[in-house]
Amino acid sequence: DQQVKQNSPSLSVQEGRISILNCDYTNSMFDYFLWYKKYPAEGPTFLISISSIKDKNEDGRFTVFLNKSAKHLSLHIVPSQPGDSAVYFCAASWSGTGTASKLTFGTGTRLQVTL
Amino acid sequence: DVKVTQSSRYLVKRTGEKVFLECVQDMDHENMFWYRQDPGLGLRLIYFSYDVKMKEKGDIPEGYSVSREKKERFSLILESASTNQTSMYLCASTARLTGANVLTFGAGSRLTVL
Repeated sequence: DQQVKQNSPSLSVQEGRISILNCDYTNSMFDYFLWYKKYPAEGPTFLISISSIKDKNEDGRFTVFLNKSAKHLSLHIVPSQPGDSAVYFCAASWSGTGTASKLTFGTGTRLQVTL
Repeated sequence: DVKVTQSSRYLVKRTGEKVFLECVQDMDHENMFWYRQDPGLGLRLIYFSYDVKMKEKGDIPEGYSVSREKKERFSLILESASTNQTSMYLCASTARLTGANVLTFGAGSRLTVL
């Protein structure tokens, strides 16, 4: 049962344009969401997060939007750069303490930014 | 910077062999995790450990075991490797288990079982 879904396995965007990566979740207990970025032959690295008490969080070129009623979040990258080409994973957890708050990851979206 | 080091980047093993994947972190983190990454399936949690000698099953523990004898080291063991365990294995750690689980990952160990 995939509780966190990224329905687009790949996305191609021109340099300078906006990249929008989407993520849907089914577990209403989730209240914290994160995006990780992964280059080939490297481990994932943390990019940006959002708590369910917010609907938007911005960090430079990266913005995450959360729509709780739709159980949907999206990552916007503006402007997209060739160095953004990577696999992006959405992840979710709930803020219960202890072992219950482990992350559940989505299946990933491969972003290619073309020149 | 937190470092999570996975000693073996690439391994090739035969069906039935016992395989050890080692992971070491240098930031005194309480919590350590083993994930596997497969195309179309994302990252799936195999096991995690929230303290020395403590472990808990993740979503896909079958065919795996773990060992955490020291705080900095978390080992994943495949008792009898099978071809369906060919995958990228990722170790991660974090200081505290809260909602804001920012994990630090190692570079991964790519295992091929023939």
